[in-house]
This record gives sequence, structure tokens and C-alpha cells, in this order.
Amino acid sequence: AQSVAQPEDQVNVAEGNPLTVKCTYSVSGNPYLFWYVQYPNRGLQFLLKYITGDNLVKGSYGFEAEFNKSQTSFHLKKPSALVSDSALYFCAVTGGGGSTLGRLYFGRGTQLTVWP
Amino acid sequence: SQTIHQWPATLVQPVGSPLSLECTVEGTSNPNLYWYRQAAGRGLQLLFYSVGIGQISSEVPQNLSASRPQDRQFILSSKKLLLSDSGFYLCAWSLGIHEQYFGPGTRLTVT
Repeated sequence: AQSVAQPEDQVNVAEGNPLTVKCTYSVSGNPYLFWYVQYPNRGLQFLLKYITGDNLVKGSYGFEAEFNKSQTSFHLKKPSALVSDSALYFCAVTGGGGSTLGRLYFGRGTQLTVWP
Repeated sequence: SQTIHQWPATLVQPVGSPLSLECTVEGTSNPNLYWYRQAAGRGLQLLFYSVGIGQISSEVPQNLSASRPQDRQFILSSKKLLLSDSGFYLCAWSLGIHEQYFGPGTRLTVT
């Protein structure tokens, strides 16, 4: 079975400090991993993805994520947080395995709050 | 470029009334289409997905149904709404196993 865990419901960080939002996954086959951000009453916005290749993936708005196969993790990071980064963040996974469906399994989300 | 539309943006309906939410995608062909529901601003529940016209798969048996009458049109329906159908409904599309792109959502309140 495929699943994603986001162990922290809430992450608080001061503006200018680095931030990390954690994600671990379980999937059969090679994972395809994604991060999304959601602002209040809005749809999800795609931030970045890992399919293959370099374990450090760079995405939108200065975010990056590090794929760690041995720890089955895909943590989202940003070197310097902004107040405008405050939002709900979702990690998602799908198994490769030749599937064409792209059915994503989402974590429950982590609320990031960046205070001034 | 591709865009995805959902309407209406907000909807307040009485219990027992019918429902029709529409989603359309522009700028791509033969996308996979998805309906999600998000309750209380947190986790996403996949309701339906479609890989082609007339092909609908249901993830969770419930009071809702979906249809795909055209390649880029996805409709979520109910004959009689329940209070528990309240939530934020999101439509998304993807090409194969690549990332999904989400619409702006519909806030449904059943009273």
C-alpha cells in the first residue's frame, strides 16, 4: 500500500530562519514525490517534484526538497522563511511501476506559520 | 498554457437538494481528471477519477456521482445532498503520472 506521513501538524518559524517541513512515504516501486502548497480557500499549487536523478530538487518560491531513499523521506526546505510562506503544505506520492493513472496519495498536511 | 476552471466558487444548498459542480480544463488533451473533497481545511479525500470520456472510477462509495461527458469536462453530482456533503471540492488534472494541477475549488455548505 502507498502512503505518506507528515508527522507535524504545525510548524512555526521566525522570518529569515530556515524552515523544514517533514514527509516520509511508503510506496511499492520507485516513488514519484510531490509537494503542494495551499493558501486559505484556494486550490493546491504545485511546488516541486522528484522523479529521478539529483536527490535535491529545486522548486517554486525558493523551496527545495531532499529525497532520501534509505530514510524514505522527502523533506521540504527553504533557507530563509518569509511571512508570505505561511500556508498549508501537502506532500504526495505515487508509485512509478508503469502506471499511467497518476493517483496521488496525500499526507494530512502541515500548517506552516512564519512570524515576523 | 493549461488552465482549469471550477464553478460555482461557493454554494449553499439545503439538505435533500440536488448538486452539480462543473470542472473544465483548457489547453490540453486527454487529461486524467480527479475530484477531491477537503474537510475542515486539511486532508484530501479522492472521490472520483477518470482516464477518459465516460470512464469513471469511484474511490469511496457515497452520496455522490461523477460524469465525464467530454474530454475536458468533469461533473460532480448528487441527487439528494446530505449535511455530511459539506466541504471544499477540488478538481484536478494530470497527464499520466505527472503532477496534478488543481482548480480554485468550490465551497459547498449544506444547510
